[in-house]
Amino acid sequence: AQSVAQPEDQVNVAEGNPLTVKCTYSVSGNPYLFWYVQYPNRGLQFLLKYITGDNLVKGSYGFEAEFNKSQTSFHLKKPSALVSDSALYFCAVRDDLQGTYKYIFGTGTRLKVLA
Amino acid sequence: EPEVTQTPSHQVTQMGQEVILRCVPISNHLYFYWYRQILGQKVEFLVSFYNNEISEKSEIFDDQFSVERPDGSNFTLKIRSTKLEDSAMYFCAISGITGELFFGEGSRLTVL
Repeated sequence: AQSVAQPEDQVNVAEGNPLTVKCTYSVSGNPYLFWYVQYPNRGLQFLLKYITGDNLVKGSYGFEAEFNKSQTSFHLKKPSALVSDSALYFCAVRDDLQGTYKYIFGTGTRLKVLA
Repeated sequence: EPEVTQTPSHQVTQMGQEVILRCVPISNHLYFYWYRQILGQKVEFLVSFYNNEISEKSEIFDDQFSVERPDGSNFTLKIRSTKLEDSAMYFCAISGITGELFFGEGSRLTVL
């Protein structure tokens, strides 16, 4: 079965420093990978996706993610963190194996950007 | 502008009562999903709905749960007899033609 793992429950980073939120995946076939952000008491917002093409994917709010097939990773990155980036981040994979589109989410990583 | 509107935003109910959560997509979509999130933690898949029928459901989605698209636009999740452990945020989502999911703002269910 398809799955994603987010090994860190929380990541702390100083404002202005680069940030990385880690995600590894396990899929059969071509991976469809996504990152979402959730602010308190809000729904999940789409940040970016990898389906095919360039390994470096750019998304909303200055975020980007690097697809690495050999390491089965899809880490989320931003060159310079803002306090307003503090939120819960979810990695997700789309499972097409059953002939339906099912999206499976990681356990989430709480990002705290310190001023 | 959200792709999906959910109502109610918050519902408090007594254990054993029936609850209906509603989802209205802004435009026509084929795929609908319900997810559940307990206490701001893991986002759990409940059910997917395609072409007016359930395409897949998780173990969580037992006989107490049902989904409908009663009038071709609204998409509802019904919990027949709520339990304390059903307290959670329930999110409706739709998938766009570009592959990503768009979520509503959620319905917070509190079961007393």
